[in-house]
Amino acid sequence: ETGVTQTPRHLVMGMTNKKSLKCEQHLGHNAMYWYKQSAKKPLELMFVYNFKEQTENNSVPSRFSPECPNSSHLFLHLHTLQPEDSALYLCASSQGNTGGASGEKLFFGSGTQLSVL
Amino acid sequence: AQSVTQLDSQVPVFEEAPVELRCNYSSSVSVYLFWYVQYPNQGLQLLLKYLSGSTLVESINGFEAEFNKSQTSFHLRKPSVHISDTAEYFCAVSDLRGRRALTFGSGTRLQVQP
Repeated sequence: ETGVTQTPRHLVMGMTNKKSLKCEQHLGHNAMYWYKQSAKKPLELMFVYNFKEQTENNSVPSRFSPECPNSSHLFLHLHTLQPEDSALYLCASSQGNTGGASGEKLFFGSGTQLSVL
Repeated sequence: AQSVTQLDSQVPVFEEAPVELRCNYSSSVSVYLFWYVQYPNQGLQLLLKYLSGSTLVESINGFEAEFNKSQTSFHLRKPSVHISDTAEYFCAVSDLRGRRALTFGSGTRLQVQP
């Protein structure tokens, strides 16, 4: 148990659906992240939030809309997705806001396995 | 720009055999290097990291990695693997210029067979 909880674990949605992914951490961390993990591809950073403010959007299409109401919760709202968006979506948190780049540990959730039909 | 190459997508190995998972990186500046592990149905966990000092770093479960600047490599090794080591292993790099993210490789699936 890493202290980062993601729900749901699995999600199947049609291209016209609207759904949301939820991430929660009670580690007292200030930074939270969304990553996309596709098979045989490097982990892709999508968004970075630091103290509830978005500090990085890694050229993510607007059909993905993040929301960070407080330092403990992070959402990813999904709308009119494409089949190629099917992937494992991972949430992570850290004490610092460099996404692990300065050496601080990233804590990952177990992910939401998303299938877009 | 920096990049990470993990040459092997899958490495099958028998229990108690040694294993090496390869990682090469490219960067024009000094780097920090990391290995993360993802056990089945779990998120990634930091396994070990190189920031500075000794080029050989170790994890608590018997893995070690050596930073080789001349070969731009950070290969992960274990002299004797267990079934419980079955997982996906990700190499990652940061370039010390303060970019707020790690650059990850595509992962190597270690499959330990009895």
